Amino acid sequence: KNQVEQSPQSLIILERKNCTLQCNYTVSPFSNLRWYKQDTGRGPVSLTIMTFSENTKSNGRYTATLDADTKQSSLHITASQLSDSASYICVVSFSSGGSYIPTFGRGTSLIVHP
Amino acid sequence: NAGVMQNPRHLVRRRGQEARLRCSPMKGHSHVYWYRQLPEEGLKFMVYLQKENIIDESGMPKERFSAEFPKEGPSILRIQQVVRGDSAAYFCASSTAGTGSYNEQFFGPGTRLTVL
Repeated sequence: KNQVEQSPQSLIILERKNCTLQCNYTVSPFSNLRWYKQDTGRGPVSLTIMTFSENTKSNGRYTATLDADTKQSSLHITASQLSDSASYICVVSFSSGGSYIPTFGRGTSLIVHP
Repeated sequence: NAGVMQNPRHLVRRRGQEARLRCSPMKGHSHVYWYRQLPEEGLKFMVYLQKENIIDESGMPKERFSAEFPKEGPSILRIQQVVRGDSAAYFCASSTAGTGSYNEQFFGPGTRLTVL
């Protein structure tokens, strides 16, 4: 069964600190992995996307890594800001009958305190 | 360029009623996806549509749920005879092309359905 597991479930950090969120998956056959940010009451917004051959991808203060061998990904947030408080969702897509179906993790809820 | 629009944002229905959720994709997008997010759960894929066609409905419950994306107008997710377990946030996303590796899906704000 295709699954995406994220840890920790929730995280509280102080402003300007760094943090790392984890994602493990069993999705197969793997197509791509995205990290999304979802603010409360809004739809998810894509932060990064990586395919099988990519190990790291950055978007400003967000850096995602991918180890396709161990099926693990991480999202590192540098110098956190209050506006980083949100749910961060790992989404792994697999190919199925010509389509690419995304499997969503439950997300990590990040709270940044001043 | 307006983003993906969904309405209503909040919908309250009594058990047994019908719920209709609308999604207008971003301008130029012809592919629409519906997802359901139960409380404390991740988003679950329901259905993928292109104009006038259902491409993949593998995540859609077999009964009471239907979706359409007509040539003109928004995509509609219809839930007949709603039950309390249908209470969830329903998100729509759209993309310019199919579900290829780099085709990003842009999400709407969601419709929160509450069944009393």
